Amino acid sequence: EPEVTQTPSHQVTQMGQEVILRCVPISNHLYFYWYRQILGQKVEFLVSFYNNEISEKSEIFDDQFSVERPDGSNFTLKIRSTKLEDSAMYFCASSTERSRKAFFGQGTRLTVV
Amino acid sequence: DQQVKQNSPSLSVQEGRISILNCDYTNSMFDYFLWYKKYPAEGPTFLISISSIKDKNEDGRFTVFLNKSAKHLSLHIVPSQPGDSAVYFCAATPGGTSYGKLTFGQGTILTVHP
Repeated sequence: EPEVTQTPSHQVTQMGQEVILRCVPISNHLYFYWYRQILGQKVEFLVSFYNNEISEKSEIFDDQFSVERPDGSNFTLKIRSTKLEDSAMYFCASSTERSRKAFFGQGTRLTVV
Repeated sequence: DQQVKQNSPSLSVQEGRISILNCDYTNSMFDYFLWYKKYPAEGPTFLISISSIKDKNEDGRFTVFLNKSAKHLSLHIVPSQPGDSAVYFCAATPGGTSYGKLTFGQGTILTVHP
């Protein structure tokens, strides 16, 4: 069964450093998303991406965050200058054009120290 | 942000019995609802969904009920199995320009005892 793949599974970074989280969505999907879950809290929407541009973003997704689809298969989330409060599980998801069922990757645990 | 609420943090059920997980929402713009299951160290896995034009959707052991007037949905699992033990999230999404943006509840930890 096709799946969304995320790398790395765990990333530790120093405060102020840039990190790039990588995702390979399901190949025939056209909508891409990033969500995050801070420990003990809800899964929160960050951004949706369609047709090579951001279609919607949350208040969390400020200027420190950016997304990119650099080629036909990868979808990345960049955090320019990480803060302690960016520590969370980050989930990539994708869906087909006509479906609102998002399929999630296994997540990247980001720890900012 | 309490637009989607799951008021029961946990539920414990005997194998073979029915599990009922509940979810309430406040945003009238939501028109599509989903249930996800999540195991530790994994991403959410899609289980079942329902559109606001329906009040029930079944898929095998899983049934989702939607009561629009009460802004309430529930997931029934019959019969429950130990492998169903996981965290269950309900999620909702509006139509229009927010197509596909999911708002999640806090989750309910389901434990099914053999």
